[in-house]
Amino acid sequence: GEDVEQSLFLSVREGDSSVINCTYTDSSSTYLYWYKQEPGAGLQLLTYIFSNMDMKQDQRLTVLLNKKDKHLSLRIADTQTGDSAIYFCAESKTGGSYIPTFGRGTSLIVHP
Amino acid sequence: DSGVTQTPKHLITATGQRVTLRCSPRSGDLSVYWYQQSLDQGLQFLIQYYNGEERAKGNILERFSAQQFPDLHSELNLSSLELGDSALYFCASSDPTNRAFFGQGTRLTVV
Repeated sequence: GEDVEQSLFLSVREGDSSVINCTYTDSSSTYLYWYKQEPGAGLQLLTYIFSNMDMKQDQRLTVLLNKKDKHLSLRIADTQTGDSAIYFCAESKTGGSYIPTFGRGTSLIVHP
Repeated sequence: DSGVTQTPKHLITATGQRVTLRCSPRSGDLSVYWYQQSLDQGLQFLIQYYNGEERAKGNILERFSAQQFPDLHSELNLSSLELGDSALYFCASSDPTNRAFFGQGTRLTVV
């Protein structure tokens, strides 16, 4: 299986909460990231969490980390149509040569 | 704006040709990564340079090569292009915590 796995699609109604899930295999991962890619654009770093944290909140975004299960989630509160994008989960370790490993991305579709 | 600059934004070329993609990392970042994004393969890591030296190689074809110059900008050279090389090519630079900051990408179309 892949090192970082995500479901491919999520569809929500505007104003609802979205929860995007990710699982990873490397228990020694130090950093876990969420990136957002809008159509025709590059990947934008949304937020990240250290592996010694359980939760991180940043305005409408909440990241939850279950290190035991190697499960990461991104919750977007009050989802807006502008949140429609592909969301990538990634993991890495500290050090100059460790390559951030990305999941295949979850396409979030927000319906009015 | 991530601070990573890639040129050109779009490139259309014929099969068999050679192209060069350019990347300027964020100020102060020593590490540069190249990724290829296609519909069927997702985001594939190609190669990493750190302070001018090749640090890691991923799924990079022999027809592709890269280098990082003393001013830390990097170039990705793609030669003998095939239709299947059509993709988005991203450059990213990272800080010491490995947070990767991506450029806007170069969309390569091989016809």
